[in-house]
Amino acid sequence: GAVVSQHPSWVICKSGTSVKIECRSLDFQATTMFWYRQFPKQSLMLMATSNEGSKATYEQGVEKDKFLINHASLTLSTLTVTSAHPEDSSFYICSARDLMRGGELFFGEGSRLTVL
Amino acid sequence: GEDVEQSLFLSVREGDSSVINCTYTDSSSTYLYWYKQEPGAGLQLLTYIFSNMDMKQDQRLTVLLNKKDKHLSLRIADTQTGDSAIYFCAEKDNFNKFYFGSGTKLNVKP
Repeated sequence: GAVVSQHPSWVICKSGTSVKIECRSLDFQATTMFWYRQFPKQSLMLMATSNEGSKATYEQGVEKDKFLINHASLTLSTLTVTSAHPEDSSFYICSARDLMRGGELFFGEGSRLTVL
Repeated sequence: GEDVEQSLFLSVREGDSSVINCTYTDSSSTYLYWYKQEPGAGLQLLTYIFSNMDMKQDQRLTVLLNKKDKHLSLRIADTQTGDSAIYFCAEKDNFNKFYFGSGTKLNVKP
């Protein structure tokens, strides 16, 4: 199946710093990628839809200045958590849509962010 | 967003069948999905069903869809310890947005 890779898998940072998480589609081009946040024992919350070459679309309640999304190429989307605080600690998962496979969604392995 | 609901926990003995249930609210859902998430990992697509189907079987997995009641279930036959994970159901709406349930944690006892 298609592969979506996230990097880093784990990141620990100090409060106030910014962290960038990458999401790559390794064997297909993805014009659309999605970023989710997952709290412990809870479901995935869609944060934003990342569109190649245009601005991301954010879900209600998600601060776009806090969570910067860039989708500069057909295989890479990045999520930057700016001025991170402990409450931003979470599991962030990206997914990418493969239009050649009927729009099936493939997920990355997730990135666990811990803000001290 | 749409509501997708699942029970939080299910515990079964190895070799038994597991049935994980899910209800959803969006009657215009086109596809419904089951994903598996192992600890610290992303989601792995297990199977999906098109909304005009009632049933889909894939080896040990059987998906049943009752569109009238908006009820989806995943049956795992001969459940193994390696099946222990969190299982998410998800629906895709007409705008290609996915909505996930809260996940059901399946615990398989030896």
